[in-house]
Amino acid sequence: SQQGEEDPQALSIQEGENATMNCSYKTSINNLQWYRQNSGRGLVHLILIRSNEREKHSGRLRVTLDTSKKSSSLLITASRAADTASYFCATDASDSWGKLQFGAGTQVVVTP
Amino acid sequence: NAGVTQTPKFQVLKTGQSMTLQCAQDMNHEYMSWYRQDPGMGLRLIHYSVGAGITDQGEVPNGYNVSRSTTEDFPLRLLSAAPSQTSVYFCASSLFRGPLNTEAFFGQGTRLTVV
Repeated sequence: SQQGEEDPQALSIQEGENATMNCSYKTSINNLQWYRQNSGRGLVHLILIRSNEREKHSGRLRVTLDTSKKSSSLLITASRAADTASYFCATDASDSWGKLQFGAGTQVVVTP
Repeated sequence: NAGVTQTPKFQVLKTGQSMTLQCAQDMNHEYMSWYRQDPGMGLRLIHYSVGAGITDQGEVPNGYNVSRSTTEDFPLRLLSAAPSQTSVYFCASSLFRGPLNTEAFFGQGTRLTVV
């Protein structure tokens, strides 16, 4: 069973626009992580947010975490064509350290 | 610094054959894991290891074996390949700090087709 569920499943935007995707999960977590996967490649880590944090920034990325709602969001500002990829959230649950559980991902297409 | 290296990148097997997917990391990470990725789904954990000599099952372990004789290597063995094991396999490693775990580093994947 998947711990994280991303929404939307797919997102198509133009360069310069912002992209927002959401992740919901089911159990108590130590941290939540966001990864990017370009077509046919491995996953690349973007941001890790711990359960006692509410917001985190990295360049054009902003992640929020609401543990009361068991949800997180990833915002990519000023999107570029190079941001075209699938984005996954992964949870590191409190009762199973290190055993990341992934959602099905959001496929983002950024057109020039 | 190579990170996580997986071999081979592509493999075609016949039903019933066995093979080993190799994974090596050079970051001295304690934690290593194997995931499979199927179309439309996220990654699912097959097996994991928190250190040399210690392995455990993940969500979908049936049909796979692992061993961890060194910190660097974590091979995944398919005992008798089945078409249902057609998938993309990813190896990952990370530091293991319990509730203070850090991010995982992934290999480039092995695309396996079982015919």
